[in-house]
Amino acid sequence: NAGVTQTPKFQVLKTGQSMTLQCAQDMNHEYMSWYRQDPGMGLRLIHYSVGAGITDQGEVPNGYNVSRSTTEDFPLRLLSAAPSQTSVYFCASSYSSGGRETQYFGPGTRLLVL
Amino acid sequence: AQKVTQAQTEISVVEKEDVTLDCVYETRDTTYYLFWYKQPPSGELVFLIRRNSFDEQNEISGRYSWNFQKSTSSFNFTITASQVVDSAVYFCALINFNKFYFGSGTKLNVKP
Repeated sequence: NAGVTQTPKFQVLKTGQSMTLQCAQDMNHEYMSWYRQDPGMGLRLIHYSVGAGITDQGEVPNGYNVSRSTTEDFPLRLLSAAPSQTSVYFCASSYSSGGRETQYFGPGTRLLVL
Repeated sequence: AQKVTQAQTEISVVEKEDVTLDCVYETRDTTYYLFWYKQPPSGELVFLIRRNSFDEQNEISGRYSWNFQKSTSSFNFTITASQVVDSAVYFCALINFNKFYFGSGTKLNVKP
């Protein structure tokens, strides 16, 4: 059981480039989400998904796209990278069983946009 | 609107002291969940506890305890007899309708 995995661990982009951050989980969780963490601001929700084929926006969705074609994978796409997107990105998955929801986080991806 | 406030940006204590981390939340909904997470210097996020809005019973887990009071919209976290390994950033979070709202975190420094 690998839990939640994210790739890459670190990435440097130039302004205007696009890329995809990968996230996968092997726990058969229905709920998955993406956050960005900036200094002094905690984590902010970018996009989330409550199941395959269903996605919705969080607090800060602009500049990002997501899709959920399978239960396991939830990639985050940066369409045209900007320096303001320099951040640490966390993917998370969770289940809700009898009201005991627990969220598991991936190790994070550090993104630097020059 | 949902909001989580952790007013303590940074706290420093000496090992074996007790320390309480404050969390105040805002929500108009009656059904919600509150969480605490720990982020050690290595950067990963570690789940500590989840509490739903209908369960105000306090919880103790080893040196950790949580005090949930709906009357004051607070969900405070106490570490008893702190240890150096408790040094980390601690986040309080609120979930409502599948959306998580995190506080800005409290950095705890435990000195030997």
